[in-house]
Amino acid sequence: GAVVSQHPSRVICKSGTSVKIECRSLDFQATTMFWYRQFPKQSLMLMATSNEGSKATYEQGVEKDKFLINHASLTLSTLTVTSAHPEDSSFYICSALQGANTEAFFGQGTRLTVV
Amino acid sequence: AQSVTQLGSHVSVSEGALVLLRCNYSSSVPPYLFWYVQYPNQGLQLLLKYTTGATLVKGINGFEAEFKKSETSFHLTKPSAHMSDAAEYFCAAGNQFYFGTGTSLTVIP
Repeated sequence: GAVVSQHPSRVICKSGTSVKIECRSLDFQATTMFWYRQFPKQSLMLMATSNEGSKATYEQGVEKDKFLINHASLTLSTLTVTSAHPEDSSFYICSALQGANTEAFFGQGTRLTVV
Repeated sequence: AQSVTQLGSHVSVSEGALVLLRCNYSSSVPPYLFWYVQYPNQGLQLLLKYTTGATLVKGINGFEAEFKKSETSFHLTKPSAHMSDAAEYFCAAGNQFYFGTGTSLTVIP
């Protein structure tokens, strides 16, 4: 199956700094990528939908200026958590759609800890 | 409104018993339906999906699910639970993959 690589898998940063998380489709072109946030023992909350070459569409309640999403190529989308605070600590997961395929392939997730 | 509802945040079954995890979706989302499994601190693995065609879908690891439009349901079943099935299961729907709240499956030896 198609592979989605997410990097880093774990990151610890200080409050006030910014962190960038990368999501790459390794063997296919992803016109659409999704970013999710998952709190401990809870479900995945869709944060935004990212389409290559256009602005991301954010879900209600998600601060677009805090969670910057860039989808500059068909194989890479990035999520930047700006001015991170401890409450931003979470598990972030990306997924990618392969063309017209209705199946999304998920990255392994990034555990962000803000101290 | 919740797009996907999973009844039962925790389900426990004995090894060898039937597994039934419930999922109902909102009729407002396109009936693209998915079940994913997640092991601790890992990403999601697709178990099975329904997009079109046969309403009974067979997936990996012996799991299957039936799309019932009249009931807006897509329940996940497995005839005989195995210890390795213990994990978190998520139902998702629509072309933006809205997820249910998840069901934690425990298998009792």
